[in-house]
Amino acid sequence: GAVVSQHPSRVICKSGTSVKIECRSLDFQATTMFWYRQFPKQSLMLMATSNEGSKATYEQGVEKDKFLINHASLTLSTLTVTSAHPEDSSFYICSALNPGGAYQETQYFGPGTRLLVL
Amino acid sequence: KNEVEQSPQNLTAQEGEFITINCSYSVGISALHWLQQHPGGGIVSLFMLSSGKKKHGRLIATINIQEKHSSLHITASHPRDSAVYICAATGNQFYFGTGTSLTVIP
Repeated sequence: GAVVSQHPSRVICKSGTSVKIECRSLDFQATTMFWYRQFPKQSLMLMATSNEGSKATYEQGVEKDKFLINHASLTLSTLTVTSAHPEDSSFYICSALNPGGAYQETQYFGPGTRLLVL
Repeated sequence: KNEVEQSPQNLTAQEGEFITINCSYSVGISALHWLQQHPGGGIVSLFMLSSGKKKHGRLIATINIQEKHSSLHITASHPRDSAVYICAATGNQFYFGTGTSLTVIP
């Protein structure tokens, strides 16, 4: 089946540094990818929709200058957490929309990236 | 074998019917999520469960930790409930079921 990878799976960084998370669709081209965030013991939250070749669409309350999204190719979207702070520590999950999937526009999820900001 | 199995894969119901979607998992988890995806849309998180039962409107989710099984029920189904429903288990990482495509016919 379709596979979406994320890298890194875990990252620990110092406060003030920037962290880049990659999301790749390995065997299909994804014009649309989504980025989610999950706080401990809470459910998923959609952060933004990433469209290849255009600017990402951010959900209300998500700072676009804080969470930079680049969808430069049909198989890669990156999320950069700029000037990370401890409150940015979270589990970040991407998903990629496969227009040729089992269902119309099936969405496949990456395994997630656990970010810890010290 | 997938860590999270959902059934059925596809489901068609008449408006007003009671619907059940099942999810079984084989990994240790800290929580189980039920997600909803409408065509072309992002995921909406319906429930997060670690034990027992939760209800929101016409939706009910239950989980049996010992049996490693969860169910999502929709009462008085409506065409707007038509979507893909995904079970996701949170352990060391996210394990996702393949989804159940639900179509509710008026």
